[in-house]
Amino acid sequence: EPEVTQTPSHQVTQMGQEVILRCVPISNHLYFYWYRQILGQKVEFLVSFYNNEISEKSEIFDDQFSVERPDGSNFTLKIRSTKLEDSAMYFCASNLQGFNQPQHFGDGTRLSIL
Amino acid sequence: AQSVTQPDIHITVSEGASLELRCNYSYGATPYLFWYVQSPGQGLQLLLKYFSGDTLVQGIKGFEAEFKRSQSSFNLRKPSVHWSDAAEYFCAVGAGIQGAQKLVFGQGTRLTINP
Repeated sequence: EPEVTQTPSHQVTQMGQEVILRCVPISNHLYFYWYRQILGQKVEFLVSFYNNEISEKSEIFDDQFSVERPDGSNFTLKIRSTKLEDSAMYFCASNLQGFNQPQHFGDGTRLSIL
Repeated sequence: AQSVTQPDIHITVSEGASLELRCNYSYGATPYLFWYVQSPGQGLQLLLKYFSGDTLVQGIKGFEAEFKRSQSSFNLRKPSVHWSDAAEYFCAVGAGIQGAQKLVFGQGTRLTINP
């Protein structure tokens, strides 16, 4: 069965540094998402992306965050200047049809900010 | 605004016992409801979904859930749990009426299985 893959599985970064989290969604999917889960808290929506533009973003997704689909397979989340509170598990998800269809999740990237 | 409440943070049951995990949602339109399971170090795996039709939905691994509109609930059940069911369980509602539909998750319920 096709999977969403995320790299790296764990990223350790100094505060203030830029970080890029990478995702390869399922190949024929058209809608892409990022979520995050701070340790011990619920999974929170960050952003959705379709047709090369952001569909919706949450309050968390401020100017420090950006997303990009640089080619036909990758979907990236960039945090420009990381803060301690960005430490979390970041999940990428995708689906073929945004509405009325379950999202398929990757295994996540654990981001640790020192 | 949409929200999901899972009242039980942690549940412990014995292997072979029945299980019910509670989920209540708040959403103004027809809800699209999901249960996901997360094993340690893993991503979120879809257990089952409700979009419309029969209010009792079957999922993978022997799980089922019942949608009750009058109670705004979507409880997850399993008649007999196995040790491998120990994991974190998340209820979610799909928010949005077209296009990309974000998921709003509950806090999660951690399930522990006693041998």
